[in-house]
Amino acid sequence: DQQVKQNSPSLSVQEGRISILNCDYTNSMFDYFLWYKKYPAEGPTFLISISSIKDKNEDGRFTVFLNKSAKHLSLHIVPSQPGDSAVYFCAASAWDNDMRFGAGTRLTVKP
Amino acid sequence: NAGVTQTPKFRVLKTGQSMTLLCAQDMNHEYMYWYRQDPGMGLRLIHYSVGEGTTAKGEVPDGYNVSRLKKQNFLLGLESAAPSQTSVYFCASRFPTGGAGKETQYFGPGTRLLVL
Repeated sequence: DQQVKQNSPSLSVQEGRISILNCDYTNSMFDYFLWYKKYPAEGPTFLISISSIKDKNEDGRFTVFLNKSAKHLSLHIVPSQPGDSAVYFCAASAWDNDMRFGAGTRLTVKP
Repeated sequence: NAGVTQTPKFRVLKTGQSMTLLCAQDMNHEYMYWYRQDPGMGLRLIHYSVGEGTTAKGEVPDGYNVSRLKKQNFLLGLESAAPSQTSVYFCASRFPTGGAGKETQYFGPGTRLLVL
């Protein structure tokens, strides 16, 4: 069973606009959530994270929002740039070491 | 500082053949992981290790074995490859503590495996 779901396989936005990537989870034991970015032929790289005690974390153009009651998190990229075009994975972990990933969303930012 | 490296980058196997994928990290990380990535499935954890000499099963361990004889190396073995094991394999490592260290899981570039 997929405990972390990214229901949108792809997203296309215009340069300068906002990109919103969504992620849902089912396991209420998850207490840490992360977003990873992946370019072709490379491994994923850590982008931003949020603890379950917070509802928002911001790092430059990237902001992650967490809605625990809805078991939903989202990544906002403002403004979007062509270099942001990549696959974005949502991930979640509980107190143990097992991290679960979503299937990924391919973001394309058009110039 | 090379980070996390994986060997080989690409391999083609016939059904029933065996092989070992090597992961090496030079960051003195305690924890190491092996994932596989399949279309529409994201990254799924195969096995992981919380220290030298220790290993544990992840989400999809069947058909794989691992060993962590040295802290810097984590080996993933396929004893009898099957077409279902065609995938891209990623190794990752991180520090053991929570907080700032918990999220920083560093990934290797991946190994693309094709089993015919």
